[in-house]
Amino acid sequence: AQTVTQSQPEMSVQEAETVTLSCTYDTSESDYYLFWYKQPPSRQMILVIRQEAYKQQNATENRFSVNFQKAAKSFSLKISDSQLGDAAMYFCAYRSARSNSGYALNFGKGTSLLVTP
Amino acid sequence: GAVVSQHPSWVICKSGTSVKIECRSLDFQATTMFWYRQFPKQSLMLMATSNEGSKATYEQGVEKDKFLINHASLTLSTLTVTSAHPEDSSFYICSARVIGQANNEQFFGPGTRLTVL
Repeated sequence: AQTVTQSQPEMSVQEAETVTLSCTYDTSESDYYLFWYKQPPSRQMILVIRQEAYKQQNATENRFSVNFQKAAKSFSLKISDSQLGDAAMYFCAYRSARSNSGYALNFGKGTSLLVTP
Repeated sequence: GAVVSQHPSWVICKSGTSVKIECRSLDFQATTMFWYRQFPKQSLMLMATSNEGSKATYEQGVEKDKFLINHASLTLSTLTVTSAHPEDSSFYICSARVIGQANNEQFFGPGTRLTVL
C-alpha cells in the first residue's frame, strides 16, 4: 500500500512571503497522480494542484507550484506571495493510475498553514 | 467545476438510531463515489468505494453492516450509519469521480458532521 508522509504538522508564513510544504510518498508503481488539497475552516476540500507522474515538468497554478522529484519520491508545494486566505490545512494525496485500484485518494496527515499579517 | 452536494450538512442523533447521509453529483454523472471519514485534526480516511449498480468495496477495519452504502444511480450515493454510537461521531465526506475525464478527477462534497449523543 502506498503511504504519504507530511512531516510538518504546522507551518507559519508572513503575508507576501513564500512557504514550502513537504510531502514524501512510498510506492512501487511507476504511473500515478499526486495532489495537494486545501481544507479551510469550512472543511470543503479544494484541489490546489495536480501532478501526473509521467510528466517531468513541475505543475504550476498561479501562486502555487510543486517540486516533483520522482526518484526521491518527493512532492513539495510552494506558495508564493502568501495571502491571509491561504491559511488552511493542506493535504498531500496519492492516487494510483491503475484501473483496478479504484482510484481512491490516499492522504497524508496534513500540514496546518498559518499566515500572519 | 463539477458540484457535489451532501445532505444533511450536520446531524445530531441519539445513540442506537440510524442516520442516512446523501451524496449527489449535481451536474455530472459519477460511476464511482468515495466515502471518507475525518476525525478532528486528523486526515481523511477512506471508508469505502461505491460503484453504481454494484456492492461497495470497504476498506479494512470498516464494518460493512454498520456503514451501509447504496449507489442506486449515477448521481446519488447514500451512507447509512446504523445503530450509531458516540464513537461514530465524525465528519463524513464524499467525493465523486467524473465519467469520461482522462485524469479521473474527483470532486468533494462539503461534508456532513455527525454527532451521536
